[in-house]
Amino acid sequence: DAKTTQPTSMDCAEGRAANLPCNHSTISGNEYVYWYRQIHSQGPQYIIHGLKNNETNEMASLIITEDRKSSTLILPHATLRDTAVYYCIVRVDSSYKLIFGSGTRLLVRP
Amino acid sequence: DADVTQTPRNRITKTGKRIMLECSQTKGHDRMYWYRQDPGLGLRLIYYSFDVKDINKGEISDGYSVSRQAQAKFSLSLESAIPNQTALYFCATSDFDTQYFGPGTRLTVL
Repeated sequence: DAKTTQPTSMDCAEGRAANLPCNHSTISGNEYVYWYRQIHSQGPQYIIHGLKNNETNEMASLIITEDRKSSTLILPHATLRDTAVYYCIVRVDSSYKLIFGSGTRLLVRP
Repeated sequence: DADVTQTPRNRITKTGKRIMLECSQTKGHDRMYWYRQDPGLGLRLIYYSFDVKDINKGEISDGYSVSRQAQAKFSLSLESAIPNQTALYFCATSDFDTQYFGPGTRLTVL
C-alpha cells in the first residue's frame, strides 16, 4: 500500500471550510484514498473514500487530483466537534489493511 | 459506533496476569480486527479474522492471541500481560471496504 504524507497539525475558524491535504505520490492505479478521523481517543470514524472521481457525502468532500498523487478532504463548515486527528490512507479496495500514519491534528477555533 | 461494543472499557491489571478483551458486533460483518494504539501514534493491527474459521496475524501479534467464537464475537487475550502492552485497544469490523471501530478499551499493565 502507498505511503501518505500529511501535515502534522492545522487549524481553522469555526464555520469556515477546513481543507486537509494529503500527498500519496506513489499511489497505484487500483488503490483507493480513504479518510478516517479520531476524536480524542474514541474509535476511528470513517469519513469518505474515492478512487479518482471527486466524492461528496453528508460529512465531507474528497477532491483527488487528476494524476491522483494528492487529495484534499474538505469539511465545508467546520464545527468545534470536528476537532480531531484526520488520517489519510490509501489501499487496494479488497485489502484488509488499513495502515494508519500519524495523521493531521485539526483544531477548530471558536 | 454502537454497532460495535467492547468490554471492558477500562482495565488495570498487573504484570503476569492473563486478561481478555471482548468485542461484539451487530453489523453482520464477517471480517473483524484488533488494533492497538500507543499515545500520539496511529493504530497498529494485531490480529484479523475474515470468518469464524479464519485467524491471521497482523503486524504486532507477539504476546497476544485471539478467539473468534462466532461471527459476532472476537476476543483478544494477553496470556501474560507486561507493562509495554499498556495501550488503547480497538476492535473493528468491516464489509469489503469500510471498517467500523468500537469505542476502545484502555488497558494499563502495572
